[in-house]
Order: sequence, then structure tokens, then C-alpha cells
Amino acid sequence: LAKTTQPISMDSYEGQEVNITCSHNNIATNDYITWYQQFPSQGPRFIIQGYKTKVTNEVASLFIPADRKSSTLSLPRVSLSDTAVYYCLVQDRDGNKLVFGAGTILRVKS
Amino acid sequence: DTEVTQTPKHLVMGMTNKKSLKCEQHMGHRAMYWYKQKAKKPPELMFVYSYEKLSINESVPSRFSPECPNSSLLNLHLHALQPEDSALYLCASSQRQGNYNEQFFGPGTRLTVL
Repeated sequence: LAKTTQPISMDSYEGQEVNITCSHNNIATNDYITWYQQFPSQGPRFIIQGYKTKVTNEVASLFIPADRKSSTLSLPRVSLSDTAVYYCLVQDRDGNKLVFGAGTILRVKS
Repeated sequence: DTEVTQTPKHLVMGMTNKKSLKCEQHMGHRAMYWYKQKAKKPPELMFVYSYEKLSINESVPSRFSPECPNSSLLNLHLHALQPEDSALYLCASSQRQGNYNEQFFGPGTRLTVL
């Protein structure tokens, strides 16, 4: 089964760019990489999704290298309200099981 | 309407009780999911329904019984649960099954088993 690995926590200051990397060494060949944000006592919320190279939307960018064994979520100019847990979600190559990463706690300070 | 609703918000039950969790969406999504989330852990997939048919059961104990009465509703029937089943139960939906479809999550039901 794929092991998706993320840093446990990261600290940042308002206005900085934050990059969170997820390693997913056994990702299914045709699967997308999706990132979610979760606040306490709420369900996860979709941030961004990609298959390869780079994807950008109004809140984040996602960088995926050619081998697709990792991905990096980039949050530009974070604010206090970006303090949350960030999860990557991929489908494992063996059995096509959907697997969330362990999550990265991002703390943004003023 | 891009909302997934879940009821109840909180549920306390004894090990001999029978209860049900309910999930509803009106986005026309044809895939619906149940996840279990323990404190400080990621969501773990339990079941997936696609076009009202059970598509994935991630080896969940039979004391959890899912049901999809129609394309908008998803239930999780609970019977003879154990204290270790206490968790946040999340429902999600997406247009179709597959990680290339954005999942919309409900706020969850906080379940405590005494």
C-alpha cells in the first residue's frame, strides 16, 4: 500500500509563501493528486488538483515532477486564516485505494 | 447549492443501541462516500457508492451498514458499536467516483460510543 508522507507541521508568518510537499511513491498511473484543507470541527475542503507539471488556481499552485512520486502545494502570501491541516489525497496503484496523507498542520503567525 | 448536510451533528450511543447517520446532497452527484476520522488523524475511507450501488467497502466491520436510498441520500446504520468506534464520521460526494473528481465534504457527525 502506498505510503503518503507529509511533514507533521510547519510554521509561517503572514505574507510569506508556504510550500508543503507530499511524497506518494506508489501512486496509481492514471490518478490525480488532490489537496484538501481542514479546519477544526469541519470537513475537508478542496484546494487544488493536478496530474502533472504545474496547476494554478486563485488560492494555490500545485507542482508535480515528471515521476509524479511527490507533489508540492504552494500557498502564496498566507494569512492567519490559512492556519489549518492540509492533506494530499492520491489513489494507490495496488488496489486503487484512496489514501489521504497524514496531514500537515500549518500555523500562521502575525 | 454546493452543500453536503449531515445529521445529527453529535451522537452519543451505548454499545447495544441502534442508530443511523444521515447525509444529503442536492448537487446531482452520483458518487457518495463515508469516511471515519479519529482525532489528529486523516480521514479513512469506509464506503463508496456509485450510482446508488455499493462500489467500495474498505473491509469495514458489519456493525456499520451503509445504505443509499436514492441519489441524494446516504445513510450509515450503526449497531453494537465499540468504544473505539468513537470518531468523526464524514460524508462526501462528487460528480462521479474517482480522485479526479472534487469531493465535497459535510461537517461530519461526532460519534461517541459509551
